[in-house]
Amino acid sequence: DQQVKQNSPSLSVQEGRISILNCDYTNSMFDYFLWYKKYPAEGPTFLISISSIKDKNEDGRFTVFLNKSAKHLSLHIVPSQPGDSAVYFCAASGSPGSARQLTFGSGTQLTVLP
Amino acid sequence: KAGVTQTPRYLIKTRGQQVTLSCSPISGHRSVSWYQQTPGQGLQFLFEYFSETQRNKGNFPGRFSGRQFSNSRSEMNVSTLELGDSALYLCASSPEGRAGTGELFFGEGSRLTVL
Repeated sequence: DQQVKQNSPSLSVQEGRISILNCDYTNSMFDYFLWYKKYPAEGPTFLISISSIKDKNEDGRFTVFLNKSAKHLSLHIVPSQPGDSAVYFCAASGSPGSARQLTFGSGTQLTVLP
Repeated sequence: KAGVTQTPRYLIKTRGQQVTLSCSPISGHRSVSWYQQTPGQGLQFLFEYFSETQRNKGNFPGRFSGRQFSNSRSEMNVSTLELGDSALYLCASSPEGRAGTGELFFGEGSRLTVL
């Protein structure tokens, strides 16, 4: 039973356009959400996070939106760059204090075409 | 500041053998977590250690175990290896008491292949 789902295994976007990666969760106890990016042969690196008390968090080209009623979050990358090509994982936890135990989605491979 | 270091990076074992993986966290980080990554499954939480004590454990059989040393270095062990244990094992460290994002700092992983 996957509590965090990324239903799109892959996504291709043209350079300069917007990339939208989606994530759904089922556990209503989750109240902290993170996105990680992973390049081949490297460990995942933290990208951006959002607390359930917010519905939006921005960091440069990256914005995460949270819709608690729908148990859905999305990551927007604008504008997309070829260097953004990687696997993106959505993750969730009960709170920042227990955020070391994360539940991850299966990942979405983003390819940004030049 | 050096990142999270995992050894070995790659290893091949046969069914029934056991394996030990090592992780050195970022200096000053006292919490170490382990995750298993398999194709299509994302990252699955194995366990988390802090001050040499296991604080959290995921839903894995008892063949998977770990420990943490006084210098925060951690090892995980898998006994009686099965083909399904082939995966990338990722270690992550985190500074304790850090209020905020709860982000983890991951190593590059140890790629285990069981034949």
